[in-house]
Amino acid sequence: NAGVTQTPKFQVLKTGQSMTLQCAQDMNHEYMSWYRQDPGMGLRLIHYSVGAGITDQGEVPNGYNVSRSTTEDFPLRLLSAAPSQTSVYFCASLRVGDNTEAFFGQGTRLTVV
Amino acid sequence: SQKIEQNSEALNIQEGKTATLTCNYTNYSPAYLQWYRQDPGRGPVFLLLIRENEKEKRKERLKVTFDTTLKQSLFHITASQPADSATYLCALDNYGQNFVFGPGTRLSVLP
Repeated sequence: NAGVTQTPKFQVLKTGQSMTLQCAQDMNHEYMSWYRQDPGMGLRLIHYSVGAGITDQGEVPNGYNVSRSTTEDFPLRLLSAAPSQTSVYFCASLRVGDNTEAFFGQGTRLTVV
Repeated sequence: SQKIEQNSEALNIQEGKTATLTCNYTNYSPAYLQWYRQDPGRGPVFLLLIRENEKEKRKERLKVTFDTTLKQSLFHITASQPADSATYLCALDNYGQNFVFGPGTRLSVLP
């Protein structure tokens, strides 16, 4: 099992550009989420999904879109990149139940200039 | 709104000593509290989970306590080693709903 695969690992964007961060998991988990991590602020939830076709906003959703057409994939779209979106982004897949556990991708370091 | 605090941004201890990290929370009633380890440039990795009705959980050199009255968890690493140096995150969970992380504590174990 590959677990959670996140691409790309690094990305530089110009202000106003759009892009999609890819996330795929092969564990058949229903629950997936996107976080951004900034120094001193920990992991902040952007969007999450509790199953295919269902998405919801987290703590910091503005400027980001998500969709969940399949159980495996949960892409994050930046609509018009801004310098404030410079961050490290993590995708996570959750095994939910009696022993909930989050499995994270390797992260994407995004710089918006 | 809910808030999670971890005792300090950074903690330095000598090798062989016990490291104690604190996680405090407000405005949340979690079913579970979890601890994760994060190394530089990597995603967090699950370490331990403790349920709301459990007081203490152990795994090798790790021990977690959970006091729902104080709204606090303590995370201990005994006989610490330089390889334990990392950032440790606590996370609150209600069966996958509203899964939130604390800001983390960066632990440095000095040889």
